Formats: sequence, C-alpha cells, structure tokens
Amino acid sequence: NAGVMQNPRHLVRRRGQEARLRCSPMKGHSHVYWYRQLPEEGLKFMVYLQKENIIDESGMPKERFSAEFPKEGPSILRIQQVVRGDSAAYFCASSQSWDRGSEQYFGPGTRLTVT
Amino acid sequence: KQEVTQIPAALSVPEGENLVLNCSFTDSAIYNLQWFRQDPGKGLTSLLLIQSSQREQTSGRLNASLDKSSGRSTLYIAASQPGDSATYLCAVLSGGSNYKLTFGKGTLLTVNP
Repeated sequence: NAGVMQNPRHLVRRRGQEARLRCSPMKGHSHVYWYRQLPEEGLKFMVYLQKENIIDESGMPKERFSAEFPKEGPSILRIQQVVRGDSAAYFCASSQSWDRGSEQYFGPGTRLTVT
Repeated sequence: KQEVTQIPAALSVPEGENLVLNCSFTDSAIYNLQWFRQDPGKGLTSLLLIQSSQREQTSGRLNASLDKSSGRSTLYIAASQPGDSATYLCAVLSGGSNYKLTFGKGTLLTVNP
C-alpha cells in the first residue's frame, strides 16, 4: 500500500509565476490536509478537504492560495503570483476518517523556492 | 488557542546515552498527541500516537508518555544511535477541531558516534 505521494518534490518558481503542488492520498483515504512549514517555524495547518469539498480553509492566506480535491485525481494546492515569502515546505497528509484520534499520514513534502 | 512548545530546541549526545525530549501544550483538552521524526529535506515519519485516554505508548527503543492534566508529554529514547539523529516533532489534535494538528517547532537531535 503506497503512502501519501506528493509531486514535485522540489519546485522553483520566479516571483509572479504560479505554483501547483499535487498530493495523492493513501489508498482508501478520502480526507486530505495541507500544512506549510516556513523556515525556522513549525508546521501550520492550511486546509482540510474531502472529495469535491473544502471543509476548512481557515489556515489559508486570503489571497493567491486555493486548494481542490476533485472526484478523480490528486488534490491540488495552487499558489498564484508567488512571492519570496511563499518559499516553504508544503506537506500533505491523509486520513481514513475524520474521527477524533484518526491518524494523519504525511507525504514527503514539496519544497517550493521562489527566486 | 493551542500552543505547543518543545524543549530543548537542540540536543547533542554521545552514542548509547538515554535521553528525554519534552513537549508541552497550553490547552489540555486534546484528542491525541503524536511524535514525528523529520530527517533533513524529508517528510514526517510518525513514531508514536497517544490517544487522550492513554498514558503512554512504546515502540522499540522509544517510549512516549502523556500527562494531559499538566499539558506535558515526553519522548524517551533508550540507547541512542547515530541513526536517531533527526528533528523530532510533537503535535496535538485538540480544541473544536478534530483534524487540525498543532505542531511544536521541534527538537534537533544529534547523536555522536
């Protein structure tokens, strides 16, 4: 059973370009979470999605960031018009359910560098 | 608002030593607590998950304890090895959300041969 997969693992974008980060959850998992790890900071929750639904996007910056989890295919975190402050590691996690205590399994992350 | 603090921020020990990493959280109403390992440039590996009703969990040389009332958890590593060198992260699931993990900044552990 493959784990959570993220691609690309490393992404370099120039200021003003768009970044698309992909996440395929573990088989059988329909709950996806995105976290961001800024340099010297802890991981911070960004968004929680189920298939075709955004459940909680309270951790997402108000502008330029969006996320989706379509019926078919991976979850996508999209950052428009990237700025240097977006440089970070973006981690995706998935779980089988939303029950309290349900374990989240993390992917290897995508390291975004904005030049 | 839940806050998680990990002490120390960095720790360097000789091989073979037993060691303790500390994690504290401000809101004791947690659902569970997880310890993760993060290697440089890599993802997170879950080490131990302790449900709120449990006091401790063990896996091999690792033992994690949880004292919910005092808002503390410890990760005990026995007979440390150079391969244990990594950043150890503590995260809690709490509050009105049963899915938002709140992470500490981690403890960077170096085990010297």
